[in-house]
Amino acid sequence: DSGVTQTPKHLITATGQRVTLRCSPRSGDLSVYWYQQSLDQGLQFLIQYYNGEERAKGNILERFSAQQFPDLHSELNLSSLELGDSALYFCASSVDSGNFYEQYFGPGTRLTVT
Amino acid sequence: KNEVEQSPQNLTAQEGEFITINCSYSVGISALHWLQQHPGGGIVSLFMLSSGKKKHGRLIATINIQEKHSSLHITASHPRDSAVYICAAHPGGTSYGKLTFGQGTILTVHP
Repeated sequence: DSGVTQTPKHLITATGQRVTLRCSPRSGDLSVYWYQQSLDQGLQFLIQYYNGEERAKGNILERFSAQQFPDLHSELNLSSLELGDSALYFCASSVDSGNFYEQYFGPGTRLTVT
Repeated sequence: KNEVEQSPQNLTAQEGEFITINCSYSVGISALHWLQQHPGGGIVSLFMLSSGKKKHGRLIATINIQEKHSSLHITASHPRDSAVYICAAHPGGTSYGKLTFGQGTILTVHP
């Protein structure tokens, strides 16, 4: 158990809908990362937050947004969902920002768009 | 060409064999992760290293920064080692920790 929690575990929804994925980092970790894992693209970095502020952006679509709250949990919002958004969404946390801090991954949320 | 390349893509072994998975990267990096993903989907961080060698039980990871290459070795492999192994690079510079991933190596160990 990494100490990172994600809810829900599974989500099935229809095209055009909006969903919110939630992540609670390990106790004491200030940085949260969101990653998407799809069959054709593999794992890709979406976005990083550090202590409530956006730090880095990757291949995140404009239909997706995220935020980190004062209690450090983070939410990833996916809107106008398309079939191609079906994927595993992972969050990870680390104690600080930067390249020398180990990241701990949550169990993931499996999103299926029908 | 991906910035992070793994080989082989698929690997089948018999229980007890010594296994090596390779990872090469084309960008400058500050550190490299080795991750394990089981069929259930969860990802476990095995190692993070920026130089030399690390060992944990039957797992050994090495990295050569100059040659831009890392290897993950599993000694005395066991069927429970069957999983996808992913290397992920922390690019150098001000990239704030985001990871760039290899495509993964699917390892199957038969009893």
